[in-house]
Amino acid sequence: KQEVTQIPAALSVPEGENLVLNCSFTDSAIYNLQWFRQDPGKGLTSLLLIQSSQREQTSGRLNASLDKSSGRSTLYIAASQPGDSATYLCAVKNSGNTPLVFGKGTRLSVIA
Amino acid sequence: DVKVTQSSRYLVKRTGEKVFLECVQDMDHENMFWYRQDPGLGLRLIYFSYDVKMKEKGDIPEGYSVSREKKERFSLILESASTNQTSMYLCASRTGQNTGELFFGEGSRLTVL
Repeated sequence: KQEVTQIPAALSVPEGENLVLNCSFTDSAIYNLQWFRQDPGKGLTSLLLIQSSQREQTSGRLNASLDKSSGRSTLYIAASQPGDSATYLCAVKNSGNTPLVFGKGTRLSVIA
Repeated sequence: DVKVTQSSRYLVKRTGEKVFLECVQDMDHENMFWYRQDPGLGLRLIYFSYDVKMKEKGDIPEGYSVSREKKERFSLILESASTNQTSMYLCASRTGQNTGELFFGEGSRLTVL
């Protein structure tokens, strides 16, 4: 059974730092991996989707990488801002008619 | 842009009441999902549907049922609400292709008194 782990559960950094959020999964036979952002009391917003054949995806200051063989993905945030403060979740899609499997997220605080 | 709309952002209900949570998507997605989210427990899948009139149990279906009479609408039903069903409920949809992106609604915060 696929398991997704995000460590650390919480992270606090000063504004302007570059930072990396980690996501690991136990079964490397995935179709894709998706990163989400969630603000308090809101739904999840999709940030980046990486297909299994891709190594990375970029959107603005965000860069997500995927290493299927090692079961890892990272979300790199450049020049962090207080507005980046949120919970970041990753989720993987396995083969077949199966729902995504989610990690529990990393709560990021960027301090001005 | 894909839009997933949940009809109610906040609801307050009494124990024993029947509760309907509605979700509508406008992108002709085959797959739709209902999750609940609680502090420390993460997202937990309640029910999902891969097509009209189809439904599959997720990890925590007890106390819930669903309805998918039309492709764009997926309803979550609490037949007799209980206090332990107080939670944030999130609806999501995606295409039927394995490579598709998952999109969420804004969430419905349900309080059962």
